[in-house]
Parts: sequence; C-alpha cells; structure tokens
Amino acid sequence: NAGVTQTPKFQVLKTGQSMTLQCAQDMNHNSMYWYRQDPGMGLRLIYYSASEGTTDKGEVPNGYNVSRLNKREFSLRLESAAPSQTSVYFCASRLRDRLNTEAFFGQGTRLTVV
Amino acid sequence: GQQVMQIPQYQHVQEGEDFTTYCNSSTTLSNIQWYKQRPGGHPVFLIQLVKSGEVKKQKRLTFQFGEAKKNSSLHITATQTTDVGTYFCAGNTNAGKSTFGDGTTLTVKP
Repeated sequence: NAGVTQTPKFQVLKTGQSMTLQCAQDMNHNSMYWYRQDPGMGLRLIYYSASEGTTDKGEVPNGYNVSRLNKREFSLRLESAAPSQTSVYFCASRLRDRLNTEAFFGQGTRLTVV
Repeated sequence: GQQVMQIPQYQHVQEGEDFTTYCNSSTTLSNIQWYKQRPGGHPVFLIQLVKSGEVKKQKRLTFQFGEAKKNSSLHITATQTTDVGTYFCAGNTNAGKSTFGDGTTLTVKP
C-alpha cells in the first residue's frame, strides 16, 4: 500500500520553463490537495480538489494550475516557473473533504528554479 | 481570514527535558489536528482533538484543546532524540477552512 506517491522527488528548472508535478493516491480518497512549504513556514494551500471533477483555489494559487485527472491522480502545473516558486511541494489526500479526517502526505517534491 | 499562530518557532532542549508548543487561532475551531514532520520528511498525522477542553495522551505526548476551542498545546515529557522534527497544528473550522500553523522545530541535544 503506497499511500500518496509524488513524482519527481527533485527538480531544477530554469526561469520560464514549465513542468507538471504528479501525485497519485491508492487509498480511494475523494479529496486531494497541493501545498507548498517554504523554510520556517507552514504549509500553504495552493489548490485542492474536494472530489473528482472539482478543483478550487487555495491561499496561493497564482502561477499554478491543477488537473484532477481521475479519482487517483491530481497534478500541479507550473506554466512559466519563477524563482519565487522554489519550494518543497507536498500533495495530500483525505478520505473526504471534511476536515475531521486525517490528511496523508506524499514524500514531497523539492523544486529549485534558477 | 483565519490565522493560526504557533509558538515558539524553534526550541532547543537537552535530552530528558520537557517541551511544549502552543497553537492559537483567530477564530473558533471545529477541531484541531497535530502533525509531525521529521527533518527531510513529510508531515505525518499524530492526533485530532474535537471537544472543548479535551486532553489526549500518546505515551509521552499530551495534547490539549482549549475550552474556547481557539487554542491547543502539545507537551512532550522527557524528550528523546527521536522526538526531533517540526510539529504543526492545523486548525479546522466549521466553514471548511483549514489553516496550518508555521510549526515549531524541536532539536534535542543528547
């Protein structure tokens, strides 16, 4: 049982390049989330998907797009990467978007934009 | 909007000393969750508190939820080197809003 799997684990991009971060969960969860974590800071929500077929903006959506491809997969796209997007990105899932269920996190993607 | 403040930001202790981190929300919460993130790792769920004044224990860890459901604390008794990491609270409201605190990073000197 893999839980939440993110790829890639590490990535270096040049300013202006695009890339997609992949996330998949095998727990049959309805809700999925993308967070970014900067040094000394908590987790800030970028986008989330309460259920298959829906996506909504979080606190810091600018510069990102998401796709809920199916119930298992939720991808995050950077269309034109900027140095300010250097961060660690975590995907998470919950059984449902009721916040009384625990969130399961992936291992993270460490992204550097130069 | 909802704010969740967590203090202290860093705590350095000698092994065997106690440790406490505090979480304060600007709004009343429906529940609060605590997560631990080991260095270089990802957040892992520890516990959820739902009731006003609730206290839960996990071995050397004690979690409390305030009477007004706006604050919470995590206390570790007799810290060990395995306790190192960053402890996050996540405050959840009835409106479906979830906000993570900035975390408290604990280092333990053997």
